[in-house]
Amino acid sequence: DTGVSQDPRHKITKRGQNVTFRCDPISEHNRLYWYRQTLGQGPEFLTYFQNEAQLEKSRLLSDRFSAERPKGSFSTLEIQRTEQGDSAMYLCASSLAPGRDEQFFGPGTRLTVL
Amino acid sequence: AQRVTQPEKLLSVFKGAPVELKCNYSYSGSPELFWYVQYSRQRLQLLLRHISRESIKGFTADLNKGETSFHLKKPFAQEEDSAMYYCALSEGGSQGNLIFGKGTKLSVKP
Repeated sequence: DTGVSQDPRHKITKRGQNVTFRCDPISEHNRLYWYRQTLGQGPEFLTYFQNEAQLEKSRLLSDRFSAERPKGSFSTLEIQRTEQGDSAMYLCASSLAPGRDEQFFGPGTRLTVL
Repeated sequence: AQRVTQPEKLLSVFKGAPVELKCNYSYSGSPELFWYVQYSRQRLQLLLRHISRESIKGFTADLNKGETSFHLKKPFAQEEDSAMYYCALSEGGSQGNLIFGKGTKLSVKP
């Protein structure tokens, strides 16, 4: 499978715990995006990378959220001190070129915070 | 502020009937608009984009800047068209992140 992959697919955690999600983009794609999707809503943009550079992070929901893409390949999204309101689907997408190129989405990681 | 509005949460039609999924947007620049689709148990995927001016799976969408709309249409719906449809707007410049509407669930009945 050469598409975008995400791990884990499901994560159940207790409030206050830290969680980390991984995204592996399509190999030649330079752009990587993170979105969050809650029930009944469309995906909401969080942050994006151009290679290893994080070019936009003001949309991250709070300072508990952080993302990295250390070698310009895979990316991780970490949520510290999880809250019940963090329960959502976290989606990763990648694209070949900067700007308005087609984004290819991963299957998502569903987070449930108890 | 940039915004995408899909007024219908659910649209139910019979097989063979025409379909129109509505999308309105608010954007200060020159927009680029997309329709993404999510079939049951599958990932979100691009259906079409306005700059391509293509017809994909019989669907078309025309950008109407005067009415700030990008409605998705198909003359004869098929059962396999049942899915969640999201209209999305690409933010300006080189950033490229998408602003999505809340989505419309299309149900095509036999």
